[in-house]
Order: sequence, then C-alpha cells, then structure tokens
Amino acid sequence: GESVGLHLPTLSVQEGDNSIINCAYSNSASDYFIWYKQESGKGPQFIIDIRSNMDKRQGQRVTVLLNKTVKHLSLQIAATQPGDSAVYFCAEKGFGDYKLSFGAGTTVTVRA
Amino acid sequence: EPEVTQTPSHQVTQMGQEVILRCVPISNHLYFYWYRQILGQKVEFLVSFYNNEISEKSEIFDDQFSVERPDGSNFTLKIRSTKLEDSAMYFCASGMNTEAFFGQGTRLTVV
Repeated sequence: GESVGLHLPTLSVQEGDNSIINCAYSNSASDYFIWYKQESGKGPQFIIDIRSNMDKRQGQRVTVLLNKTVKHLSLQIAATQPGDSAVYFCAEKGFGDYKLSFGAGTTVTVRA
Repeated sequence: EPEVTQTPSHQVTQMGQEVILRCVPISNHLYFYWYRQILGQKVEFLVSFYNNEISEKSEIFDDQFSVERPDGSNFTLKIRSTKLEDSAMYFCASGMNTEAFFGQGTRLTVV
C-alpha cells in the first residue's frame, strides 16, 4: 500500500554541523513533496517543497534532494542551530490527489 | 506574513456532544484542508475542499464529520457526536495550488 516513512525516528546533531533527514516513499505516482517542521504544540510549518520533475531544490540553509529511482527524499540543513530542534515530516501528494500523506516524523535534537 | 488562524486553541467536550472547529484560511487561497494528529503520531488527512465542495476525504471522515465554508472566509469542521477517540489536534490548512500551509491547531479533548 501507499506509505511515506522516515528512516530514523530521532537524530541528534551538534550545533553548527549539517543535518540530513531521510524519507522513503512507496507511491510511484507521487509528484509533489513537502518538508515540514513541527515544534511542540504548534502546527506543521512549511520548509521547502519539490516537484517530481526536479531532483534538487535549495532554500535558505536547507536543500531537498529527490531520488525517484529509489523513491527517496532527503532534507539537508546547513549549520544546524538550536532553533532547528523540532520534529520534521516529509509529505507527498500523488498526481491528481488533493491530499498530502505524511511520514512518521524524525525528532531532531541540536546539542550545544 | 499571512497565516491560517484556528479557534479555539483548546476545546474540551463531553462524549456525544457536537463540536465546531473554526478556521480562517489565508485569504487568496483556493484549497482548504482538515488534518488531525493524535498525540505523538503522524499527521492524518481528513478532507480537502475546493470550489465549494469536498474534493477528497479519508476513511476517518465518516458521517459524523462535515465541513462548511459559510461566508467565503471561514472554514469549519463539525463533529456531530464526539467519541473519545476523536481526541486529537485538528489542523486546518490552505493553499493556492498543491502546497499547504497549516494553522496552529485546535486541541480537542473528549471526556
């Protein structure tokens, strides 16, 4: 069946290091992907998105990589800061769908 | 920066009661959504709404649930007869196209 998942439920990172958060998906018809950041007690916050006709997209301190061959998505955060501590979700949308399907989330903890 | 706003932030209700969760989407957006998140779990899709009608809904969105956009600005989710398992964070989201921007959520507690 359709599923979106992350490889690791937790990630501990030293402040200043780069973080890489991974996500695998199974839906071959997925054509749009979003990374969200969720802080405790808050709603998911849009970080960056990418369409299936691209394999890389960059934002401010973040890069999303998409490998459609192996159905893998990653989020790279450069120079991780304490404010980056949160749960990160990948979400995907299939072609013609109206809904986003979310993965289980990775909890990122930044060590000072 | 425009944002999706939701009220109330926390709602406590007795089992069997009706609740209405309210949302004001970002003003020029065309697509509207409700999602929910049970504590510690992933975000689950409930329903999407476009052009004044439901465009897609999940198995969770059964006959107890309904949505309405009564006045062109508000977007509401009604749960007719709440159950204990309806306790969750409910998020409204909106978007111009495929993206979705989320509100801060309403924490619904059914007792």
